[in-house]
Amino acid sequence: EEQVVESGGGLVQSGGSLRLSCAASGFSFSDYWMSWVRQAPGKGLEWVASIKVDGSEKYYVDSVKGRFTISRDNAKNSLYLQMNSLRGEDTAVYYCAKGAFGPEFWGQGTLVTVSS
Amino acid sequence: VVMTQSPLSLPVTLGQPASISCRSSQGLLHSDGNTYLTWFQKRPGQSPRRLVWEVSNRDSGVPDRFSGSGSGTDFTLKISRVEAEDVGVYYCMQGTHWPRTFGQGTKVEIK
Repeated sequence: EEQVVESGGGLVQSGGSLRLSCAASGFSFSDYWMSWVRQAPGKGLEWVASIKVDGSEKYYVDSVKGRFTISRDNAKNSLYLQMNSLRGEDTAVYYCAKGAFGPEFWGQGTLVTVSS
Repeated sequence: VVMTQSPLSLPVTLGQPASISCRSSQGLLHSDGNTYLTWFQKRPGQSPRRLVWEVSNRDSGVPDRFSGSGSGTDFTLKISRVEAEDVGVYYCMQGTHWPRTFGQGTKVEIK
């Protein structure tokens, strides 16, 4: 069964850092683009970042450029999101998703809360 | 690319059809020949579920009452006969241009 499981969310102060992880199983992780998508409380879905199969291409939404870094370790079937200089508007459930052209399936999400 | 959905709220009677429109500010035909317009369903407390990919391809396990259509900049998701389990928020997303963008979401509820 294909699965992605996020971890690493939590409560952090404004200006702080957090690293999210996504463990993939049940599919050939190294063959797929991967993405992070978030949903702030009461808001819609917002794409955050995507990374190519070999990590050679990375794309970000403007609001996180220079603060967030997406990366992957194909040997460990894992996706990461390093989040620095966190702001209140980054508070959201962060989802790991398989794919970048129309993400095929998503994890259960991990909640990131940024307090001031 | 701005994705504009309408309506944003859709009260429907059980068994009746429903239709959601999604318009993009730019064409979604990719240079590889595919049109990356995807529809997702988000039920309360659940992660998003992909229903339709590349405009009209229904995902495995998705009831055939769901159908997607469209081209260029105008796309539609139709539910032929709404059931209680269809309550939730529906999002379109374009995967052709960077950054990827979602519509605002359409909340489907039962009258």
